[in-house]
Amino acid sequence: AQKVTQAQTEISVVEKEDVTLDCVYETRDTTYYLFWYKQPPSGELVFLIRRNSFDEQNEISGRYSWNFQKSTSSFNFTITASQVVDSAVYFCALSEADRGSTLGRLYFGRGTQLTVWP
Amino acid sequence: DAGITQSPRHKVTETGTPVTLRCHQTENHRYMYWYRQDPGHGLRLIHYSYGVKDTDKGEVSDGYSVSRSKTEDFLLTLESATSSQTSVYFCAISELGQGADEQFFGPGTRLTVL
Repeated sequence: AQKVTQAQTEISVVEKEDVTLDCVYETRDTTYYLFWYKQPPSGELVFLIRRNSFDEQNEISGRYSWNFQKSTSSFNFTITASQVVDSAVYFCALSEADRGSTLGRLYFGRGTQLTVWP
Repeated sequence: DAGITQSPRHKVTETGTPVTLRCHQTENHRYMYWYRQDPGHGLRLIHYSYGVKDTDKGEVSDGYSVSRSKTEDFLLTLESATSSQTSVYFCAISELGQGADEQFFGPGTRLTVL
């Protein structure tokens, strides 16, 4: 079973629109970490954020914000006022940290391709 | 940027030939990982290392082996390449492991097996 589900395979928006990328995860660990990575057309993986399971505070960084809700096992990512440069594949990932979990391995979702049109 | 390089960056090989991919880091991080990326699958863990000569299997390890004789180098070997191993391979490093810090990824190696 997928530990991380990104149900949106592709999203297209027009510049300046807000867009939310969904991420739902599944784990039995009490301690875990959630991540978002960006993969632009050039192919590299760029780290965006890490959140631990004990910190449900939402986070904002410029035009990016993240909403972590343990009650729904979701860690959604919102881009406000999207720009063409935001076009990329975005991956959500989970790392489990309870005793016995594989050391720091990331379980990735299948990614969401975001296209922002001018 | 984290100091991670992968070599080669691109490789085309034929079925049945051995292939070795190299990941080199200058960060002195303890943990190193090999992932493969395929359309529709995201990234999946092949093998990982938690120290020199300490390695273990990930979820898609069949057909792959690894070695780590120095902190800075993590080698991924395909003993006899198959077309199903055509993929983009990413190396990642982490200082603390356990997800307690972010994993930094190398630029990737695009491998094509004909």
